[in-house]
Amino acid sequence: DAKTTQPNSMESNEEEPVHLPCNHSTISGTDYIHWYRQLPSQGPEYVIHGLTSNVNNRMASLAIAEDRKSSTLILHRATLRDAAVYYCILRDLADSGYALNFGKGTSLLVTP
Amino acid sequence: GAVVSQHPSWVICKSGTSVKIECRSLDFQATTMFWYRQFPKQSLMLMATSNEGSKATYEQGVEKDKFLINHASLTLSTLTVTSAHPEDSSFYICSASTGAGQYNEQFFGPGTRLTVL
Repeated sequence: DAKTTQPNSMESNEEEPVHLPCNHSTISGTDYIHWYRQLPSQGPEYVIHGLTSNVNNRMASLAIAEDRKSSTLILHRATLRDAAVYYCILRDLADSGYALNFGKGTSLLVTP
Repeated sequence: GAVVSQHPSWVICKSGTSVKIECRSLDFQATTMFWYRQFPKQSLMLMATSNEGSKATYEQGVEKDKFLINHASLTLSTLTVTSAHPEDSSFYICSASTGAGQYNEQFFGPGTRLTVL
């Protein structure tokens, strides 16, 4: 899997938008960009994924750069429950039957 | 969404004893299950991959005789930590996938915290 780079930590105020960046300069054309998050003392949960176009779902939005070498996970209004470690993971569709390879992720702190 | 459960959610045991952790897919059949381990302040590390009805595939550095994995049905996989020692204390997380569809999403269990005294 291609490597991703994320900031170790970020901080946000409650009810403000949060932009979590991810760099993946060696991404291949068939790599999907996945985001998972892990709340404290819980297993990871799926957030969103995309290939080339921006994606929206009820949890977040994913903005993908035109050259696909970076992406940004957007939480439109952070809540205290969004405090978690967010993982940006690349995975080729052909590897979809294999385990996810977690990096260090970004620890998001949300303050009231 | 698909639900994966783990039991127990936490366990404390004495050094030298064995501990079994169950991972169940509650509303779907999981052809593949994965076991991860997570030490404090660290990321998830894959331990092994198990496919229903076949032997698990272990990652390099993971002792297969110490971490016994059984995936006897499409909804249940178990991880047994044999002769546990304090260094085995960790957060163990399983995930399951259906193996179907173009996007093979993985669903994670809530984790089991093991403390070995």
